[in-house]
Amino acid sequence: GIQVEQSPPDLILQEGANSTLRCNFSDSVNNLQWFHQNPWGQLINLFYIPSGTKQNGRLSATTVATERYSLLYISSSQTTDSGVYFCAVGSYNTDKLIFGTGTRLQVFP
Amino acid sequence: NAGVMQNPRHLVRRRGQEARLRCSPMKGHSHVYWYRQLPEEGLKFMVYLQKENIIDESGMPKERFSAEFPKEGPSILRIQQVVRGDSAAYFCASSPPWQGGYEQYFGPGTRLTVT
Repeated sequence: GIQVEQSPPDLILQEGANSTLRCNFSDSVNNLQWFHQNPWGQLINLFYIPSGTKQNGRLSATTVATERYSLLYISSSQTTDSGVYFCAVGSYNTDKLIFGTGTRLQVFP
Repeated sequence: NAGVMQNPRHLVRRRGQEARLRCSPMKGHSHVYWYRQLPEEGLKFMVYLQKENIIDESGMPKERFSAEFPKEGPSILRIQQVVRGDSAAYFCASSPPWQGGYEQYFGPGTRLTVT
């Protein structure tokens, strides 16, 4: 089945710093989503982005489907950005999402 | 427009008891997915259902676990004779009623603790 790898596994930042999170996948996809799981365990949809670029406030994401990777950019990070960021993909022969192992982000004041 | 609803949010069961987790999809959605997150791990797919049909149950444990999505009412994930290893967060997601990689919207999850 399709493999999803995220990097880095852990990231520690000071407030105000920028960061880039990466998601590599091993096959063609027709669904790619980024999520933020906050320290209370709630899973928040950030982007639905099987291809192209999207922006939402301080967050933006780019997926290059032909090269099988996606990037999540966080600018001017805040302590509320702390948590785990997951990338999940779906392929053409299945509707289920395959999740990566996540990037754990800690932002300190 | 209410999002995906799950209840209960927290559930404590003793070993050997049954656990029933409920999921109401977003309005207009007829596809439901269940995922499990073990402590300190990512989410793993369990089962995909449409109204009255199980489409893909490739992630479901072979024994003790079952799921349904009846014509009326919420989807139910049922775990019989729970064991400590079933302690996890169970998330439900829903998507619109057509095929082909549409965005899945997740509920707040049910945290099951088996004592």
